[in-house]
Amino acid sequence: DAGITQSPRHKVTETGTPVTLRCHQTENHRYMYWYRQDPGHGLRLIHYSYGVKDTDKGEVSDGYSVSRSKTEDFLLTLESATSSQTSVYFCAISVLASAQGEAFFGQGTRLTVV
Amino acid sequence: KQEVTQIPAALSVPEGENLVLNCSFTDSAIYNLQWFRQDPGKGLTSLLLIQSSQREQTSGRLNASLDKSSGRSTLYIAASQPGDSATYLCAPGGDDYKLSFGAGTTVTVRA
Repeated sequence: DAGITQSPRHKVTETGTPVTLRCHQTENHRYMYWYRQDPGHGLRLIHYSYGVKDTDKGEVSDGYSVSRSKTEDFLLTLESATSSQTSVYFCAISVLASAQGEAFFGQGTRLTVV
Repeated sequence: KQEVTQIPAALSVPEGENLVLNCSFTDSAIYNLQWFRQDPGKGLTSLLLIQSSQREQTSGRLNASLDKSSGRSTLYIAASQPGDSATYLCAPGGDDYKLSFGAGTTVTVRA
């Protein structure tokens, strides 16, 4: 699993509240990603990072922001949670040197917005 | 935008049969392509990675082929077992190693 830890693993929150999900890696990989997985849509990229303080949007970035102040941590924030953001969120890294860009995923965070 | 299609959406076979899972993608300008396995309620497990310059990759009973110019990849699983029951996801990788995913093929292997 390339040392990826997501927290929390489960969360229930109310509409309109901010929520932050954390992804932590132990191996100093440069590329990190946040995806969401929904029935009928598969996995879709929300945001990604290619270094400390270097981030960019994915295909479903509206309503989300990210921060990466340290190599090992990539935070995803839902600025004001909505029911449409109920989903399973996955963090991933790409291992470049030895693994030629192979991606590894965390175990996921199940978020329910009520 | 990369569009990924996986056919069939679901597959049920008796134990011992070989499995063939198909993946097609619209943009052939890929860096690599990965196959993942996902068990219900779990994360994604990487099965095979094929670089864009490669034609196939093998790991045990699994073999994946890649025809980049036609935008196709196929995952073969030999001599299927009940433990192979899962959803299999195809993901071509583009710039910055971003992955695009298909909806997956859900496999059931009957004992």
